[in-house]
Amino acid sequence: GENVEQHPSTLSVQEGDSAVIKCTYSDSASNYFPWYKQELGKRPQLIIDIRSNVGEKKDQRIAVTLNKTAKHFSLHITETQPEDSAVYFCAASITFGNEKLTFGTGTRLTIIP
Amino acid sequence: GAVVSQHPSWVICKSGTSVKIECRSLDFQATTMFWYRQFPKQSLMLMATSNEGSKATYEQGVEKDKFLINHASLTLSTLTVTSAHPEDSSFYICSARERGTSGNKAGELFFGEGSRLTVL
Repeated sequence: GENVEQHPSTLSVQEGDSAVIKCTYSDSASNYFPWYKQELGKRPQLIIDIRSNVGEKKDQRIAVTLNKTAKHFSLHITETQPEDSAVYFCAASITFGNEKLTFGTGTRLTIIP
Repeated sequence: GAVVSQHPSWVICKSGTSVKIECRSLDFQATTMFWYRQFPKQSLMLMATSNEGSKATYEQGVEKDKFLINHASLTLSTLTVTSAHPEDSSFYICSARERGTSGNKAGELFFGEGSRLTVL
C-alpha cells in the first residue's frame, strides 16, 4: 500500500518568513495530493491540492509543487501569519479504484510573532 | 462546499459499553465514506472504507467485529465501537466523497467535525 512520509515534524518560523513542508510517497500510481490544515480538536481543512498532471499550483500565499519522478511534493507558505499556526498534513491517493487517502505524519507549524 | 456532519462531537462512556457515531453528508450523496482514527498528536489512520449497500472494507489490524460500520443510505454511515475500552479513547473522523465526481473534483474528500470518545 501507499506510504507517505512528511518532514519536518515541527517547524517554527518568524512571522513574515516562509515555511516549507515536504512529503514523499511510495506508490507511483498515486495521482492526487491534497494538503490539510488541522487546528486542535477540529476537522482537517483542505487548503490546496495538486494532481499529477501539473507540477505546481498556487493560491495566494500557498503553493504546492510536485515532482512525480522523485515522488515528492512540498507545501510552501509565504508571508506567514500567526493564524497559519496549526498542524499540516499531506496526503496521497489514487483517484480511481478505492481512492482512499493516506496521510503523512503531520507538521506542527508555529509562527512566532 | 459540501458539508459532512458528525454526531456526537464528544462522548464519554463506561468501559464495556457500546457507542455509535453518525456521519452524514448534508447536501450531497456519498457512495463512499471513510472512517479515520486520530490519537493525540498523531496522524489520521484509516480504519475502514464504508460503501453504501455493501460491507465495509477494513484496514489491516482493525477488528471488524469491534468497529461495526453500517452505510445504509447515500447520506449516512455509522461507526459503532462495541465493548469499548480505555484504549479505544480517540478522535474519530469520517470523510465522504461526493457521488459521481470526476476530473478536477475526483478524489476530493470532505471531513466531518470529528467525535472525541473517552472511555472510562
